[in-house]
Amino acid sequence: GDSVTQMEGPVTLSEEAFLTINCTYTATGYPSLFWYVQYPGEGLQLLLKATKADDKGSNKGFEATYRKETTSFHLEKGSVQVSDSAVYFCAHTGGFKTIFGAGTRLFVKA
Amino acid sequence: DADVTQTPRNRITKTGKRIMLECSQTKGHDRMYWYRQDPGLGLRLIYYSFDVKDINKGEISDGYSVSRQAQAKFSLSLESAIPNQTALYFCATSDSFGSYGYTFGSGTRLTVV
Repeated sequence: GDSVTQMEGPVTLSEEAFLTINCTYTATGYPSLFWYVQYPGEGLQLLLKATKADDKGSNKGFEATYRKETTSFHLEKGSVQVSDSAVYFCAHTGGFKTIFGAGTRLFVKA
Repeated sequence: DADVTQTPRNRITKTGKRIMLECSQTKGHDRMYWYRQDPGLGLRLIYYSFDVKDINKGEISDGYSVSRQAQAKFSLSLESAIPNQTALYFCATSDSFGSYGYTFGSGTRLTVV
């Protein structure tokens, strides 16, 4: 069945380090792909999205590229900040509902 | 005002009690969803509604019921709360295709003692 697998956390980085959070998916058809971010005590917020193969979604310095051949949508940021500490969820939508990954917690140390 | 508003934000209730969580939205979206979040398990879909007359069970609907009172309102009820329903509950909305992503409320933290 459809699924989303993302790397287990927590991920701990120092400020200004490079971030990669891996995400792979299984889906029928050609889903849209998303990254959401959840800050402490808040709901999920859409961070970025891509709707077709080779699209690159970007926002707030984060990027992810829709790789159909590897069914992946890895999240990257060149230089993380303490304020990026949060839980990140990969998700895909195909048809009538969205499938979410389990989330990856990121801690950024000053 | 928030696009998706959930009430209450926090609630402690006793085993066996009936409780209702409410959600309202100003996005004008037809689709609304209830999710449950547990540590390490991500989000699991409880119920979803594509319009006022279309309500569907998600993957973990047992012990829950919903009511779509209007396009903008979608409430979740626990008929007889039990401790393993202690969790963070989120309401979300989307447009008809979901391709623009979901808009989430801030969540309700429910504790059943």
